[in-house]
Amino acid sequence: DIVMTQSPDSLAVSLGERATINCKSSQSVLYNSNNKSYLAWYQQKPGQPPKLLIYWASARASGVPDRFSGSGSGTDFTLTINSLQAEDVAVYYCQQYYSTSWTFGQGTKVEIK
Amino acid sequence: EVQLLESGGGLVQPGGSLRLSCAASGFTFSTSVMNWVRQAPGKGLEWVSAITGSGGSTYFADSVKGRFTISRDNSNNTLFLQMNSLRAEDTAVYYCAKDAAAWGQGTLVTVSS
Repeated sequence: DIVMTQSPDSLAVSLGERATINCKSSQSVLYNSNNKSYLAWYQQKPGQPPKLLIYWASARASGVPDRFSGSGSGTDFTLTINSLQAEDVAVYYCQQYYSTSWTFGQGTKVEIK
Repeated sequence: EVQLLESGGGLVQPGGSLRLSCAASGFTFSTSVMNWVRQAPGKGLEWVSAITGSGGSTYFADSVKGRFTISRDNSNNTLFLQMNSLRAEDTAVYYCAKDAAAWGQGTLVTVSS
């Protein structure tokens, strides 16, 4: 299985500041035939299912504010939240869908400092 | 609009069985790979199983292999997860998911005596 490792496990950021979450896969999730990385980012709030933020490593899902951005390719990826808002407090997960057996990072809890 | 609605969760004793259902609408169900993902209380996301559109191929996480069965009824747009020999560590919210963008609200399975 492809192992997804996120860092840090948690972070506290002041309102209006930037939050950066990293995700590393144990093998490349880049599909050479279409040059796409099969990597998604989710936001999950208590009692809710995960909400898709980013797919193909950097494409923003419909309705997601543009302060959320994704970058990276192959095995190393980053989710950036610019100008953190109070409603961004949540746990964030990366996920690879390169393999039929999806795997997720362990999650990063984002809080307000 | 894609909609996924899980049902069938509840309290079951260790060693018991439970069958989850996921009613799908808003997309062509019969051609879509479908997944089950679970989340234990306070823990991260774990992919459980997947099935191809025809039902001809199925995939399972090692943690449930031999105990869980996935199936589908394409005439009624419904996905199933048959869970046998349940253990305390199977306690979780179970989500059905079409792809990264489409998840249900989840159904809680509690395995306890």
